[in-house]
Amino acid sequence: KAGVTQTPRYLIKTRGQQVTLSCSPISGHRSVSWYQQTPGQGLQFLFEYFSETQRNKGNFPGRFSGRQFSNSRSEMNVSTLELGDSALYLCASMKGGARSGEQYFGPGTRLTVT
Amino acid sequence: DQQVKQNSPSLSVQEGRISILNCDYTNSMFDYFLWYKKYPAEGPTFLISISSIKDKNEDGRFTVFLNKSAKHLSLHIVPSQPGDSAVYFCAASARYKDGNKLVFGAGTILRVKS
Repeated sequence: KAGVTQTPRYLIKTRGQQVTLSCSPISGHRSVSWYQQTPGQGLQFLFEYFSETQRNKGNFPGRFSGRQFSNSRSEMNVSTLELGDSALYLCASMKGGARSGEQYFGPGTRLTVT
Repeated sequence: DQQVKQNSPSLSVQEGRISILNCDYTNSMFDYFLWYKKYPAEGPTFLISISSIKDKNEDGRFTVFLNKSAKHLSLHIVPSQPGDSAVYFCAASARYKDGNKLVFGAGTILRVKS
C-alpha cells in the first residue's frame, strides 16, 4: 500500500508570495491533518479535514487555509508569506473516525521563505 | 501554552543500554498517548501508544509507561541500538466533539553510540 505523499518536497518563496502544498493520503484514509514543524516547537497542528470538511483547527492565522477534495487529497495554502513561515509542513492521514489518533505521516514539504 | 512537554532536547546513550525518554502533559482531558519516531528527511512514524486506562504497554524493545496522577509518560527502549538514533515525539489526544487532534511535544533527539 502506498504511503502518504506530499508535493513538492522543497520550495523556496519570497515574502508576500503565496504557496500551495499538496498531500495525497493512503488509499482509504478519509482524514487528513496538517502540521507545521519548526526547530524547538515540535509539530504544531494546523487543521484536519474529513470528507471534504474542516472539522478541527489549530491556532494559526487566517493566512493558512486548506481544502480537501472528493478523492481525499488535500491542499494547504499560505498567503502573504512571512519569514517565520519557513518550516517543514507535514501532512498525516488516518482512516477517519478512528479514535486512536494513529496517523501516518508523509515526508513533508520543506518551505523556505526569503 | 505547551500542553505536552518534552523537557530533554537530547539524550545520548551507549548501545545496549536503556534509553528513557520522558514526557509531561497538563491537560487532564488527554486519554490517549502516542510516541512517534522521526528520521531526517522523513515524516514521523508511529511507534507505540497507550490508552489512559492502562499504565504500561509493551511492544518488543519498546515499552511506554503512563503515570496519570503525575501526568507523566515515558518511553523505554531496551536494548538501545544505533538505528534507534532519531527524534522522538510524544503526542496526546483528547476526545473532542468533532474530529481528532493530536498535541505534540517538541521532541527529544536520541543518539545511540556504538
